Amino acid sequence: AQTVTQSQPEMSVQEAETVTLSCTYDTSESNYYLFWYKQPPSRQMILVIRQEAYKQQNATENRFSVNFQKAAKSFSLKISDSQLGDTAMYFCASNTGFQKLVFGTGTRLLVSP
Amino acid sequence: DTEVTQTPKHLVMGMTNKKSLKCEQHMGHRAMYWYKQKAKKPPELMFVYSYEKLSINESVPSRFSPECPNSSLLNLHLHALQPEDSALYLCASSPLTSGGNQETQYFGPGTRLLVL
Repeated sequence: AQTVTQSQPEMSVQEAETVTLSCTYDTSESNYYLFWYKQPPSRQMILVIRQEAYKQQNATENRFSVNFQKAAKSFSLKISDSQLGDTAMYFCASNTGFQKLVFGTGTRLLVSP
Repeated sequence: DTEVTQTPKHLVMGMTNKKSLKCEQHMGHRAMYWYKQKAKKPPELMFVYSYEKLSINESVPSRFSPECPNSSLLNLHLHALQPEDSALYLCASSPLTSGGNQETQYFGPGTRLLVL
């Protein structure tokens, strides 16, 4: 069975600092996507960044970047220059089989002034 | 534009009521999804429609009845729900142009359902 593990239930960071959220996964697929979704208090699930497994280059979206280590099955999210609006629950997810997303249990991030 | 809309935003219903949730996307996506999410938990997949046909049903109780009238619309009909069905119901869509494990799902804002 496919699994996604987020070992940090909660993290906190001060504004303007950098924080890294961890994620490991297990899959038997050879080609797949990995995702980070953000869910703020409004509870809208927002796509932050995605990584194509066959691409060695780490994905980057503005202040958000990933460290994708395929052999180690690790997919961490780095948030640079943290902002108050980054306060949210962050879910790591992978595609497994046909159209099914497997989510981790989430990491609650609190950004404080 | 990656917008998925859902109505209503909030819904309160009694256990004998019949209500419907609506989801709409205009991105030309051919797959649409219903998820249920309890507080502080990840979303749980309920149903998947591909090309307007039900392709995945995750053993959801029959009091939840999905419907896909066309490629842009997805409904979830609710009948005789239980208080434990209170949750956030999320709709998502994906293009269905790539292989199944390369699809990117885009979520709507959700409907918060309270069953009394």
